[in-house]
Parts: sequence; C-alpha cells; structure tokens
Amino acid sequence: QVQLVQSGAEVKKPGASVKVSCKASGYTFTGYYMHWVRQAPGQGLEWMGWINPDSGATKYAHGFQGRVTMTRDTSISTVYMELSSLRSDDTAVYYCAKVAGYCSESRCFFDYWGQGTLVTVSS
Amino acid sequence: TVLTQSPATLSLSPGERATLSCRASQSVSSNSLAWYQQKPGQAPRLLIYGASSRATGIPDRFSGSGSGTDFTLTISRLEPEDFAVYYCHHYSSSLWTFGQGTKVEIK
Repeated sequence: QVQLVQSGAEVKKPGASVKVSCKASGYTFTGYYMHWVRQAPGQGLEWMGWINPDSGATKYAHGFQGRVTMTRDTSISTVYMELSSLRSDDTAVYYCAKVAGYCSESRCFFDYWGQGTLVTVSS
Repeated sequence: TVLTQSPATLSLSPGERATLSCRASQSVSSNSLAWYQQKPGQAPRLLIYGASSRATGIPDRFSGSGSGTDFTLTISRLEPEDFAVYYCHHYSSSLWTFGQGTKVEIK
C-alpha cells in the first residue's frame, strides 16, 4: 500500500532554515510527481510546489521562489523540502502529497498525503 | 484562478443533506476540480476528482457536480464521521489552488 512518511516536528528560530523529508513506499517512486502543501494553524491549504522524482526538475509557487528548495534521493525513495529565512508566519504543518498521474490526463490531483510535519518558528 | 467556497460554516444534523459550493474566478475544466475532506489533526483525504468521480473507497453518499465556474459537493445523508472541513481544489499543469474550506459542523 502507498505510504508517505514524513520527518518529525521541528522548532526553529527566525532566519533559520528547515528541511523536511518525505519517504515514499508502495509504488514506483520515480513515476509520480510529489508536491508540498502547507497549512498554517487554523487556516486553509497553500500549495508550495512540486518535484519530479525522476528528473529532479522542480516548480515553485511564486510566493516561495527564492526561499524553497525541493530535492530527492532516489536511492531511498525520499523527497525533501527545505525552506530558508524562516519567519513566524511560516509556522505551519507541511505536507507532501503524491499526484495520481499526469496533468495531460487530468490526473494531477493528490491521491495520497503524508501525515504532516509541524514546523514552529519562534524566537 | 481563485476558488471561493460557501458557506464558510454549515450547521446540520446527522441524516441531513449537505450542499457545499465552490466558485472559480474563471472557467476551469471540470476534469481539473477535486474535493478533499480534512478532520482535525489529520491530512486531507481525496473524495472527488474530475468534478464528479469518487475516489477509491469513498461512500456513494458523496457526490460532486458542476462545470465552468460553479461546482458542488453534496453529502446526501450526513453520518457522524462526515463532520469535517471540506476543500475544493483546482489542478493544472501550471498551478494548484485550494478554496478556503467549508466546515460542516453538528447542529
């Protein structure tokens, strides 16, 4: 069965960086794009970007360009999301989410999600 | 594309019918609209994709409809486990956006 297991909660100071991991299992890791979505406390869902685990290509949402880096390690079926220059309003739960298929086939919705990683930014 | 969900909160009793709305700021393909359910402390769960196709394992009391700019999620008879927040989602090759959510609470 498909599983996305994320790393544990983090507490960071303003200006620091955080790196969250998402380990995939139960499917062909390189066959499906992985996205990152975050949710501030009591708020809605905010899309951050995607990574193609096969090629390593990335696309980031405008609001995160220059601060976010998504990478992958195919040897351990894991993707990473690093966010730098952290601010208090980056406090949120960060999710990885796997797409069901290709956008060209209208299947790039999220069929599986990680359990979420709480990142708290506080001085 | 901005997605606006209404109402923000829906107060209903178990057994009642829930109708949730999602309006897009511009016309979107019905193939590119999904709905998710989120319970407190949990990740979102896919309910509907392609505006009207139920995801695997989703009960048939959940149905989606709509086209163009107006989409609807209907829960025919609310079960106790259906009280949650629901998000609509537009997906495309260039952008992924979410509505702000509708909370379905017990009246």
